[in-house]
Amino acid sequence: GAGVSQSPRYKVAKRGQDVALRCDPISGHVSLFWYQQALGQGPEFLTYFQNEAQLDKSGLPSDRFFAERPEGSVSTLKIQRTQQEDSAVYLCASSLGSNTEAFFGQGTRLTVV
Amino acid sequence: QKEVEQNSGPLSVPEGAIASLNCTYSDRGSQSFFWYRQYSGKSPELIMFIYSNGDKEDGRFTAQLNKASQYVSLLIRDSQPSDSATYLCAVNPSGSNYQLIWGAGTKLIIKP
Repeated sequence: GAGVSQSPRYKVAKRGQDVALRCDPISGHVSLFWYQQALGQGPEFLTYFQNEAQLDKSGLPSDRFFAERPEGSVSTLKIQRTQQEDSAVYLCASSLGSNTEAFFGQGTRLTVV
Repeated sequence: QKEVEQNSGPLSVPEGAIASLNCTYSDRGSQSFFWYRQYSGKSPELIMFIYSNGDKEDGRFTAQLNKASQYVSLLIRDSQPSDSATYLCAVNPSGSNYQLIWGAGTKLIIKP
């Protein structure tokens, strides 16, 4: 595709509900990143994939957060038993390599009520 | 803990003037430094990156890096109203060639 595509753009979840956020990276991009951005803050690193391998998940805030990229393309970030503090914009970015320019998707704004 | 600090602003600059945005970082071993622009409700987009001490110019934008002072800045010449956005500083810390540590951003307002 022309750019990184994320869906849904907006998600409202009741506390305790499970959610799944999708990221479609730019075709051919090896590296994929997930970030969490709270209002008025910079993005915070969640996890990093190189192809289908999840090389770093040190930024995932709890074991309720899980990410996968089974075929090295589309990635899904899953949040189980959502809490109010999970409310944020979740950004996905992809790049050709680990230290080349990363292109961001439009993000998914998650609101937990 | 590795940190990146920015003044949250807002920084108000008249149209046509030079806007100066500043960023400090705590990890002395950091190697790569990035400036992103983020319009309200949009995703960050890369403006410039810099690796070496000194200045790097790209059109109206100049990035300045001083590793001894652990300081990186972005100058925007001939500021335009379309430059109004939040500017995020991001740093690639030592020990990682892919992670970025981000500042909270400086909101820049260019007044016509």
